[in-house]
Amino acid sequence: RKEVEQDPGPFNVPEGATVAFNCTYSNSASQSFFWYRQDCRKEPKLLMSVYSSGNEDGRFTAQLNRASQYISLLIRDSKLSDSATYLCVVLLGTGGGNKLTFGTGTQLKVEL
Amino acid sequence: SQTIHQWPATLVQPVGSPLSLECTVEGTSNPNLYWYRQAAGRGLQLLFYSVGIGQISSEVPQNLSASRPQDRQFILSSKKLLLSDSGFYLCAWTRLAGESYEQYFGPGTRLTVT
Repeated sequence: RKEVEQDPGPFNVPEGATVAFNCTYSNSASQSFFWYRQDCRKEPKLLMSVYSSGNEDGRFTAQLNRASQYISLLIRDSKLSDSATYLCVVLLGTGGGNKLTFGTGTQLKVEL
Repeated sequence: SQTIHQWPATLVQPVGSPLSLECTVEGTSNPNLYWYRQAAGRGLQLLFYSVGIGQISSEVPQNLSASRPQDRQFILSSKKLLLSDSGFYLCAWTRLAGESYEQYFGPGTRLTVT
């Protein structure tokens, strides 16, 4: 089983749609969670951290369910510029170099 | 503010040639530094990380090596490149954010081994 699993997509949605991405992680000792965005042939960029209480940043909402080991990202009112690959990322702990584990990403294509 | 630089941006090298990729971070001291590789259509694979000068941890066996000669400099090397070394090489550093650590990436080096 992969440490971080995501649906690879692609998700093709019309502009203005709401889209949700899901992610599961295997290690219950994981401590911190993130969503990154990666544009084609570019480096990943931190989109938002995911907190236990859930958090929102404009059109983006992230939620964490520790019991189910499940993370989600909701994008409302999709824009063409949201087209990218979204990476689910997990930090196991704060020792041993604070290494992150990345999912393989979910591709989003927002269309006119 | 902190910034991370990588060079070169792109590189085409023949099989068997040496490699040296450099990463430097500005605006912070004693950062944790990381080298990742992303093969075409694949996820990010952690290659090396460093928690301080001269301290290197290897995550996967391969013909690559890393060094950290200065606090904010991280170098990825190979004596003889293989075709399978082609990929997008990313350097990253972590920043303490509350009770967690956020990781930020450099612009990457796209390596093609021919």
